[in-house]
Amino acid sequence: QQPVQSPQAVILREGEDAVINCSSSKALYSVHWYRQKHGEAPVFLMILLKGGEQKGHEKISASFNEKKQQSSLYLTASQLSYSGTYFCGTESMTTDSWGKLQFGAGTQVVVTP
Amino acid sequence: GAVVSQHPSWVICKSGTSVKIECRSLDFQATTMFWYRQFPKQSLMLMATSNEGSKATYEQGVEKDKFLINHASLTLSTLTVTSAHPEDSSFYICSAPLPLYDLPHPYGYTFGSGTRLTVV
Repeated sequence: QQPVQSPQAVILREGEDAVINCSSSKALYSVHWYRQKHGEAPVFLMILLKGGEQKGHEKISASFNEKKQQSSLYLTASQLSYSGTYFCGTESMTTDSWGKLQFGAGTQVVVTP
Repeated sequence: GAVVSQHPSWVICKSGTSVKIECRSLDFQATTMFWYRQFPKQSLMLMATSNEGSKATYEQGVEKDKFLINHASLTLSTLTVTSAHPEDSSFYICSAPLPLYDLPHPYGYTFGSGTRLTVV
């Protein structure tokens, strides 16, 4: 079952912040975040493992609330290069789901000058 | 870093013909490869999981006889779309777990560059 991502799209001015949410109805082992530019393959941003950790990559950070099975991606002081579609991928706790990512519908981010 | 090379990047074929897509892990061994399909403006949908030396496992609703997957070696997995039809036109992407030597769980997944298939 696919995780639910919100919002569907967000338009930002350079320097503004945004939050993208990802929630699942299943108990999760990990949450992955990827960014995809038009016509290209997704690029791995970060992974958050069960344990509620928070991670960052430059000015992009994420958190994972395992009690709520939710993850949030924070775009801080956005840059033009942050434009793209962001996908969360979730891996559930069942053994037959090992390594299998279910992707959310994606959040299109447009950063304008 | 770990790279998966995917070919071709795009292909146009006639309805009824077969198309083979290759994914090679260049600097690591990929015992597992995941195959995804992505329709325009939609998310990636997992089609199947291939494991070196064994049969692929397909997700519900994916036709095994139509999407043939072969994982003959630790560095090569192929997806063949047989008797392609216009509705098979899509973006196909492979993905392999990134190797991680000090944790039991892969750190992430590296994706091939994708293959845009157009069936006319």
